[in-house]
Amino acid sequence: KNEVEQSPQNLTAQEGEFITINCSYSVGISALHWLQQHPGGGIVSLFMLSSGKKKHGRLIATINIQEKHSSLHITASHPRDSAVYICAVRSWVNDMRFGAGTRLTVKP
Amino acid sequence: EPEVTQTPSHQVTQMGQEVILRCVPISNHLYFYWYRQILGQKVEFLVSFYNNEISEKSEIFDDQFSVERPDGSNFTLKIRSTKLEDSAMYFCASTYGVGDTQYFGPGTRLLVL
Repeated sequence: KNEVEQSPQNLTAQEGEFITINCSYSVGISALHWLQQHPGGGIVSLFMLSSGKKKHGRLIATINIQEKHSSLHITASHPRDSAVYICAVRSWVNDMRFGAGTRLTVKP
Repeated sequence: EPEVTQTPSHQVTQMGQEVILRCVPISNHLYFYWYRQILGQKVEFLVSFYNNEISEKSEIFDDQFSVERPDGSNFTLKIRSTKLEDSAMYFCASTYGVGDTQYFGPGTRLLVL
């Protein structure tokens, strides 16, 4: 069983739609990261969370430590948001375990 | 904005050859990481490095792999005798503190023939 599970695997949305990507994990963590991987392969860190909620522009990330679950929301989605979104958890021994990613396509 | 750089961007090598992948982390960062992503698969942790020592390594990081910070700026990953299954994108990342946001380099795409 994967330690980090993401859903959905693939998501297609129309421009302007509200998007939610979910992440569940089964290990103890010190922090959870949401990453964005562009078609060329580059990875950008969007959020690092250990509790609560963070917002940056149209992106919102939440985490529920008790339920071992996090969500990434994108409001007013745009075609430039098309990318693979990856959930990764940092364990207490400072290694990172990655989800398989959610491939988001936003159509104009 | 400061960024992590990696060289080369692409490398093709023959099976059994040694390769060295280079990374220049952000200058005041203290923690350094290597990850790999086999085509079509998820990103995998290889190793973390702090204070000139490996702090954590995964099962993937066997005796064929080594890391080094030979000077104050470079952070290298060496694969001693490459195998076909080492073909992947290799990402370097760095952070100032262990709990901080990771900054990723653009990756080196390694192809072993």
